[in-house]
Amino acid sequence: DVKVTQSSRYLVKRTGEKVFLECVQDMDHENMFWYRQDPGLGLRLIYFSYDVKMKEKGDIPEGYSVSREKKERFSLILESASTNQTSMYLCASSFSYNSPLHFGNGTRLTVT
Amino acid sequence: DQQVKQNSPSLSVQEGRISILNCDYTNSMFDYFLWYKKYPAEGPTFLISISSIKDKNEDGRFTVFLNKSAKHLSLHIVPSQPGDSAVYFCAAIKDGNQFYFGTGTSLTVIP
Repeated sequence: DVKVTQSSRYLVKRTGEKVFLECVQDMDHENMFWYRQDPGLGLRLIYFSYDVKMKEKGDIPEGYSVSREKKERFSLILESASTNQTSMYLCASSFSYNSPLHFGNGTRLTVT
Repeated sequence: DQQVKQNSPSLSVQEGRISILNCDYTNSMFDYFLWYKKYPAEGPTFLISISSIKDKNEDGRFTVFLNKSAKHLSLHIVPSQPGDSAVYFCAAIKDGNQFYFGTGTSLTVIP
């Protein structure tokens, strides 16, 4: 079974802090994704990566950056956290073309 | 612009009856469709998928129907069980790796 592990289930940060969300997958998947989930808005793609050192912007990249130094690890960085970044953050990976996404359990981030 | 839409935010069904969750899409370039189930405080889990060249796919109690002319997707759960109570997201894939998600339908199965 694919395992996607997000380092924190709950985080509380202050406005202006730099925040790191870590995600690791154990199935040698090429593709990794970061989404945020908000009520009534579904899942929105922030960034994705098809390979090490490679990244592509999703639908809502503003205020975020990512890092993929190793194939199994994909980090989401909030450069200067703001209250409108309070959300559930979901990391996912997939094997290849038209393959289902496998999600981690999410990180509920609260920015105060 | 929401390319995948789930117009019913919630649905309640009696245990043992059929649950039908609906999804509409606008982009004819989608070539794969999926359903995910999400419990509170957990990530979505993959349920069932269908290729755009098919019109039906079955897996146990779950069946997905695709009507390409109507750009409509539905998930049937028969019989519904209380453990099926969750939020269901439909998703569509374009170009192999671009996923588009609906906003979700919260299903409650009443014992």
